[in-house]
Amino acid sequence: KAGVTQTPRYLIKTRGQQVTLSCSPISGHRSVSWYQQTPGQGLQFLFEYFSETQRNKGNFPGRFSGRQFSNSRSEMNVSTLELGDSALYLCASSLAGRGSTEAFFGQGTRLTVV
Amino acid sequence: AQKVTQAQTEISVVEKEDVTLDCVYETRDTTYYLFWYKQPPSGELVFLIRRNSFDEQNEISGRYSWNFQKSTSSFNFTITASQVVDSAVYFCALSATTSGTYKYIFGTGTRLKVLA
Repeated sequence: KAGVTQTPRYLIKTRGQQVTLSCSPISGHRSVSWYQQTPGQGLQFLFEYFSETQRNKGNFPGRFSGRQFSNSRSEMNVSTLELGDSALYLCASSLAGRGSTEAFFGQGTRLTVV
Repeated sequence: AQKVTQAQTEISVVEKEDVTLDCVYETRDTTYYLFWYKQPPSGELVFLIRRNSFDEQNEISGRYSWNFQKSTSSFNFTITASQVVDSAVYFCALSATTSGTYKYIFGTGTRLKVLA
């Protein structure tokens, strides 16, 4: 069974640009969550999608957005990039995202904003 | 408010030593779930264990064991006879209802270095 796949693995962008990250969950998993990991802030929840609907959202500015497709694949978009957006972005999938089941994480996309 | 505290930022041990990673959580929910994840240098978080708030039984899995105590709001993780391959960052996480849905709240992680 394939795990969670995130693409690309590495990205370098310039301030002001926008970026789209992709996440393919484990087959059969309908919940996809995104997290930002930085040395200073640790792992912070961005948002969760379930059946193409955003079900929960963290405390991030509107520059961070996402969507989920009918095949459960998810994309995350960050517009008007800032230096502080440099981070490892992790995607996690779970069967139903109800908190009682474990989440499976991808290897992440390391975004560097210069 | 929901919160997870991992007070140990970094721990170094010599191979074959036992090591305990501490996790203290805060939540007002009566139903919640606690997790431990391991993050090796490759980046992905690897699930280790889940425990629900109604099950205070300790668990042992090979060299790993977990001690859940609701009275002290702690969910500690012990590695017995540590090995170099155990070197990683370990995260404790809490999943509890906020606004009707669950999300994970992670601690800041403990970096474990096992020296040969």
